[in-house]
Amino acid sequence: SQQGEEDPQALSIQEGENATMNCSYKTSINNLQWYRQNSGRGLVHLILIRSNEREKHSGRLRVTLDTSKKSSSLLITASRAADTASYFCATPQGGSEKLVFGKGTKLTVNP
Amino acid sequence: GAVVSQHPSRVICKSGTSVKIECRSLDFQATTMFWYRQFPKQSLMLMATSNEGSKATYEQGVEKDKFLINHASLTLSTLTVTSAHPEDSSFYICSATYGQGAFGYTFGSGTRLTVV
Repeated sequence: SQQGEEDPQALSIQEGENATMNCSYKTSINNLQWYRQNSGRGLVHLILIRSNEREKHSGRLRVTLDTSKKSSSLLITASRAADTASYFCATPQGGSEKLVFGKGTKLTVNP
Repeated sequence: GAVVSQHPSRVICKSGTSVKIECRSLDFQATTMFWYRQFPKQSLMLMATSNEGSKATYEQGVEKDKFLINHASLTLSTLTVTSAHPEDSSFYICSATYGQGAFGYTFGSGTRLTVV
């Protein structure tokens, strides 16, 4: 079952602009993860934020987590054409190791 | 880092035949692996959880007789799509956990299955 719902479903921006993607989830979580998928490829882990964290940075990535609203956001600053990909949030299901993915946001960065 | 190797990357098979997809953990022992299916422009849907030395646990709605999963060793899990039909055409991805707790996940590069 789908846990997360990302919005927007698709986002098109110019190189150098910032891209913000949002994810909402339904149940309580231990952590939330963001992944990137280039077309027709596997997933690359970007960043994990634990339930007791509110914000986390990794290079040009900034992730926030609001457990009261059951939502998270991924901000990519100073985007590059190479950032063009689909981005998914994922959370472990219940107390298990199963990762449940949101529907994803397809980001296009135009040069 | 933890690497999962998935093969083949692409396969085309005739309707009615079976196809085996392999997923290997290269530098760590994966006691648990996960198999996902992804339709075009959609998200990943968990099919089953594969545990070394025991039967796989399938998600609701996934036919266990069609999608045979074997996890015979700590480094290898296989997914066999039996009697494949065109509707089984999809992108299949495996994943494994590593490290302490369930916080580390690594994914294979995926297999594009086309059934003709």
